[in-house]
Amino acid sequence: DTGVSQNPRHKITKRGQNVTFRCDPISEHNRLYWYRQTLGQGPEFLTYFQNEAQLEKSRLLSDRFSAERPKGSFSTLEIQRTEQGDSAMYLCASSFLPSGGEADTQYFGPGTRLTVL
Amino acid sequence: GQNIDQPTEMTATEGAIVQINCTYQTSGFNGLFWYQQHAGEAPTFLSYNVLDGLEEKGRFSSFLSRSKGYSYLLLKELQMKDSASYLCAVRVLTGGGNKLTFGTGTQLKVEL
Repeated sequence: DTGVSQNPRHKITKRGQNVTFRCDPISEHNRLYWYRQTLGQGPEFLTYFQNEAQLEKSRLLSDRFSAERPKGSFSTLEIQRTEQGDSAMYLCASSFLPSGGEADTQYFGPGTRLTVL
Repeated sequence: GQNIDQPTEMTATEGAIVQINCTYQTSGFNGLFWYQQHAGEAPTFLSYNVLDGLEEKGRFSSFLSRSKGYSYLLLKELQMKDSASYLCAVRVLTGGGNKLTFGTGTQLKVEL
C-alpha cells in the first residue's frame, strides 16, 4: 500500500496523559499536513510541513500540541496533558508541490481516533 | 476569515442524479476541492477546480464560479456505495503554502 499511513488507528487515554501519533506520507511527498476532525464537522487545519520545516500553525494548536518532521519523511504529533476536548479524529495528509509551484492535491491517511476519558 | 456553506443532509434514489451545492467566502482563494468521506474513514479526493467551469471525471462532475463564490458536485447514476459525506474545501494561499478550509460536509443517503 503506497498511501498515507497513520498509527495508531485508535487511542484511548486518560485525561492528563501524553499521547503521540505518527504519520507516514506518500513516498516523495514534500508536504505534510495535520488536521483534526470532530463528529459532524469537516477537518480543521492544525499545521503543515514543507520537508522538515514547519511553516504554519493554526491558532487551534495550543502549546500542549507539538508536531515534528525531523527528516522530512514521517511526522509525529504529540499532545501533552490531554483534555477531554482533545477527543477527535486526527488526520494526516500529504502532497507534492514542485519547486516554484502553487498547486498541490492533498491525500489523506485513515486517521487516528483519540478518546480522552 | 473563511466561510463555507453546504447542506447538512441530502437523500436521493439509486440511479438518479444529485447535485450538492457549496458556497464560500474567502480571501486568497486558490482552488476548490471535493472529497468523499465514508463513516470512520479518511476523506478521499474526488475533484478539483481552480478556473471557472465544469470538470468531469466519470460519474462525478464539479463546477466552479469564482465570481459567485459557488461550486457544485454532480453525481450521476447513483449507487448505494455513494452514500457518504461529501466535503467541500477551499484552498487558501497562506504563508507561502496552501491549506484547506473545509465545510461541515453534506451527508448523502442513497435509497433504493
